[in-house]
Amino acid sequence: ETGVTQSPTHLIKTRGQQVTLRCSSQSGHNTVSWYQQALGQGPQFIFQYYREEENGRGNFPPRFSGLQFPNYSSELNVNALELDDSALYLCASSLGNPGEGTEAFFGQGTRLTVV
Amino acid sequence: QQPVQSPQAVILREGEDAVINCSSSKALYSVHWYRQKHGEAPVFLMILLKGGEQKGHDKISASFNEKKQQSSLYLTASQLSYSGTYFCGTEANNQGGKLIFGQGTELSVKP
Repeated sequence: ETGVTQSPTHLIKTRGQQVTLRCSSQSGHNTVSWYQQALGQGPQFIFQYYREEENGRGNFPPRFSGLQFPNYSSELNVNALELDDSALYLCASSLGNPGEGTEAFFGQGTRLTVV
Repeated sequence: QQPVQSPQAVILREGEDAVINCSSSKALYSVHWYRQKHGEAPVFLMILLKGGEQKGHDKISASFNEKKQQSSLYLTASQLSYSGTYFCGTEANNQGGKLIFGQGTELSVKP
């Protein structure tokens, strides 16, 4: 039990639609990162938020966007869904400042299927 | 750039040992190790920091060679519960906590 919860656990969307995935972190965890994990692959870094500001982004297009809220929750939004967006989306939160070498606690993920 | 893990897969009998390696082409600040079971979230195992500091579970050991940008995870006296996919996540210098994960090593422990 990591104390990080994601919702929904599973989701089916149609190509071209928009989706919002949610993550609730442990209290005090100022840093949250989002990852996309395709089947059989390692998690790929999408972006990171620290104290409600984006603090770095991976190689994902602008249609992937996020928000972090003062209550330690966050969102990942994906517009204009494509079939290749089908994957497990993981959020990971950590206590402390980015780059301090603190452990990240992962949520159980949201399995997104785009048809 | 994604770190390279080896081997890609390993099968063990209970009680046997294994080593999983992670190699990066970038100068690293830290290496993080996680285990993921099918359908579950990755679970934290260990962090190794530049300079020698380590944080993690007592029953897990690992090393970090800063000169070679390589890390190894040592699994000794394996148990059935060790089965899963092991990922290393590397944080390059000045990358502020952004982890780049390897492709994973699938470990199966048989009775």
